[in-house]
Amino acid sequence: DAKTTQPNSMESNEEEPVHLPCNHSTISGTDYIHWYRQLPSQGPEYVIHGLTSNVNNRMASLAIAEDRKSSTLILHRATLRDAAVYYCILRLSGTYKYIFGTGTRLKVLA
Amino acid sequence: NAGVTQTPKFRILKIGQSMTLQCTQDMNHNYMYWYRQDPGMGLKLIYYSVGAGITDKGEVPNGYNVSRSTTEDFPLRLELAAPSQTSVYFCASIEGGIGYTFGSGTRLTVV
Repeated sequence: DAKTTQPNSMESNEEEPVHLPCNHSTISGTDYIHWYRQLPSQGPEYVIHGLTSNVNNRMASLAIAEDRKSSTLILHRATLRDAAVYYCILRLSGTYKYIFGTGTRLKVLA
Repeated sequence: NAGVTQTPKFRILKIGQSMTLQCTQDMNHNYMYWYRQDPGMGLKLIYYSVGAGITDKGEVPNGYNVSRSTTEDFPLRLELAAPSQTSVYFCASIEGGIGYTFGSGTRLTVV
């Protein structure tokens, strides 16, 4: 069973911020939270990851709740090229299995 | 360029045929993975490996076999292909908790 829960789809207007939520209530203390995105007809690409503290990189920011049971991927200014399926994944505790959930399909409106 | 290379990119198989999907990485990563993605769906883990000689099952291993004789190569074997194995197959590698590097995928159709 997937260890993360995400909304099936979201919409955003171009050049506005987007907050993509992910629930991971069964996360363990050593599990990293990873985010990937998959553009149409391509393989997934890494976006960002974190453990406890909020993280920023050139693509996005990751806000992690204090109890680590949820996280939010933040795209500061959505562009049409950000339209993709965004996956939040965890590594299962005690294994090296990374299980993808169903992801959130982001639609960006011009 | 460094990365994960998958071959072939496309393949059509007849029911009952066998084939091997090749995956090679040149980043010296220990951890390698095979996923499948059915149309309009997310990725499902088939098999993974934490190093040469060590493999383990993922979520959907039935109908597939893997081997890992070297760090670089992680081939996926399909025996007795079935229409249910029509999918896009992605190989990926990872090291040190940083992000996966995915290959470009193999689109397989079983008819």
